[in-house]
Amino acid sequence: DIQMTQSPSSLSASVGDRVTITCRASQGINNYLGWFQQKPGKAPRSLIYAASSLQSGVPSKFSGSGSGTDFTLTITSLQPEDFATYYCLQYKSSPYTFGQGTSLEIK
Amino acid sequence: QVQLVQSGAEVKKPGASVKISCKASGYTFTTNYMHWVRQAPGQGPEWMGLIIPSGGSTTYAQKLQGRVTMTMDTSTSTVYMELSSLRSEDTAVYYCARAIVRSYYIDYWGQGTLVTVSS
Repeated sequence: DIQMTQSPSSLSASVGDRVTITCRASQGINNYLGWFQQKPGKAPRSLIYAASSLQSGVPSKFSGSGSGTDFTLTITSLQPEDFATYYCLQYKSSPYTFGQGTSLEIK
Repeated sequence: QVQLVQSGAEVKKPGASVKISCKASGYTFTTNYMHWVRQAPGQGPEWMGLIIPSGGSTTYAQKLQGRVTMTMDTSTSTVYMELSSLRSEDTAVYYCARAIVRSYYIDYWGQGTLVTVSS
């Protein structure tokens, strides 16, 4: 199975900050990667697909980049509603695997 | 608008089976793959498998092979996920999640169904 390692596991930031979350695959996955946001007690929300394409309705403050084994999710101008847990998911081969998550907390 | 509405919470005993439904609306049911993802309490999501509604073919995570079955009913635009031989480790919220047309990438999620396995 392809292992997805996210870093950091948790991150404290302030409103207005810009943050970057990293996801590393144990082997190359081309650009077969998605990013999701999840708030407590809620279903995940899809943010990014194909590593860098924005899902419909997602604001442009979210952006993704990377290919191969290293990927990043960047969030600019943090607002209170952005504080949540973020996951990456690789779609290169079954079983599709999630990263362990990054908890973004208010400083 | 796209909606995925799942069936309600279930409580099952170890060894039993559970079957969860996910009714899709707001798009042409057969044009998009459907994934199933589960999330144990306090844990990250885990991909379980997917079904291709246009023909019913499935791909399952190997760790669940033999216990999971995904089916569909095109007449009602509903997909089902059945998990058998339940154990306590199967306690989780189960989600259906639609893929973008002509791709595997998830765009929309159901609201989730809590399955509790307890004696």
